[in-house]
Amino acid sequence: QVQLQESGPGLVKPSEALSLTCTVSGGSVSDYYWAWIRQPPGKGPEFIGNIYYDGSTTNYNPSLKTRVTISADTSRKQYYLKLTSVTAADTAVYYCARVRTTLTFFDAFDLWGQGTMVTVSS
Amino acid sequence: DIVMTQSPDSLAVSLGERATINCKSSQSVFYNSNNKNYLAWYQQKPGQPPKLLISWASSRESGVPDRFSASGSGTDFTLSISSLQAEDVAVYYCQHYFDTPQAFGQGTKLEI
Repeated sequence: QVQLQESGPGLVKPSEALSLTCTVSGGSVSDYYWAWIRQPPGKGPEFIGNIYYDGSTTNYNPSLKTRVTISADTSRKQYYLKLTSVTAADTAVYYCARVRTTLTFFDAFDLWGQGTMVTVSS
Repeated sequence: DIVMTQSPDSLAVSLGERATINCKSSQSVFYNSNNKNYLAWYQQKPGQPPKLLISWASSRESGVPDRFSASGSGTDFTLSISSLQAEDVAVYYCQHYFDTPQAFGQGTKLEI
């Protein structure tokens, strides 16, 4: 079955960039949108953005748009998140997730990675 | 942006009793052209990612026990658990996917 796995540094210094990778295994990535979602400690999840499987289309949360880039490497079945100029407010568990229905991002998230905790601290 | 607000923030229910969680969106998430509400419910247990329970406001995902049900339309939605089991202890979130940015509620912590 399809599985998602996030990876990347667990500690990032303030003002630096956060970079994470989502690796998809066990199935095809084709025709789906893939999303990044974060969850600060004790709070609800927050949508960061999504990307079409081939990288041709991205959609970002306007509140983060100036700092976020999501990209794709279809051959590796990997999706990347870069968040620049981080502050303590960016401390969260970061998840990658799949939008359930192909060819649209207007649907729920049916598959999630286990998440990776990123702490912003000097 | 559409804001999702859940009530209550926490809820304690006896085993076997009914639990009801409410979710309100700041704008309608009903799309007239296909007659669908773009609203999902998730269950999150400690140390785990959210698990999709309900989509399109009332459609249960495969494998989700039928004690979970959901209803509502437009801006007001409800998730019900008909007979609470110990394994239902979790935080429950509603989420709209009507437009970008999609947004989640703040969560409702369900306890025994």
